[in-house]
Amino acid sequence: VQLVESGGGLVQPGKSLKLSCSASGFTFSSYGMHWIRQAPGKGPDWVAYISSTSGIVYADAVKDRFTISRDNAKNTLYLQVNSLNSEDTAIYYCARDYSSYMTNWFPYWGQGTLVTVSS
Amino acid sequence: DVVLTQSPATLSVTPGERISLSCRASESVDTYLHWYQQKPNESPRLLIKYVSQSISGIPSRFSGSGSGTDFTLSINGVALEDLSVFYCQQGHSLPFTFGAGTKLDLK
Repeated sequence: VQLVESGGGLVQPGKSLKLSCSASGFTFSSYGMHWIRQAPGKGPDWVAYISSTSGIVYADAVKDRFTISRDNAKNTLYLQVNSLNSEDTAIYYCARDYSSYMTNWFPYWGQGTLVTVSS
Repeated sequence: DVVLTQSPATLSVTPGERISLSCRASESVDTYLHWYQQKPNESPRLLIKYVSQSISGIPSRFSGSGSGTDFTLSINGVALEDLSVFYCQQGHSLPFTFGAGTKLDLK
């Protein structure tokens, strides 16, 4: 299992960004995927989930601004993040479910992509 | 949301000693409690799932216990490579939540 995030960077408050997670080493379409973020010096914070059949769940704090999606043909997971503010500054990780149904623990993580929101 | 409170925030350790880290949940999470280790500039690594179930490749010195709202991660013979941050995570209800972590440093 290999997960590689990209798309992070320095962005001004109020702007948008689209994060990607490229997956390999497994049949991407068969697994649910999560986005988890971690602000500097804090514990991880679960953000969103998309199932293998594209059922979606969001954390309340982001549900009006973030959109999770997937492209099974490209083996890629996405997170569209809009109206960014300083509290969104974090490393964003993608993580894979252990099995083909939603699992509530995270055995596989990417290396993360850093999003910094600052003017 | 379920709040997980970890204590202590920092623990100074001597290699070889047995230590215990605490994680307390604001409501019962049954046995849906998992532990992770995070070293600097690395992603979290799963250590233990469902309170006490071992994970392949994780040293046997790591063990977990507890149920309901009070949980413990024990390290039987701390190694220098264990100096890192440990997080608990509940998977009982959405949103899944993590504790703020316990950092192990060298005494």
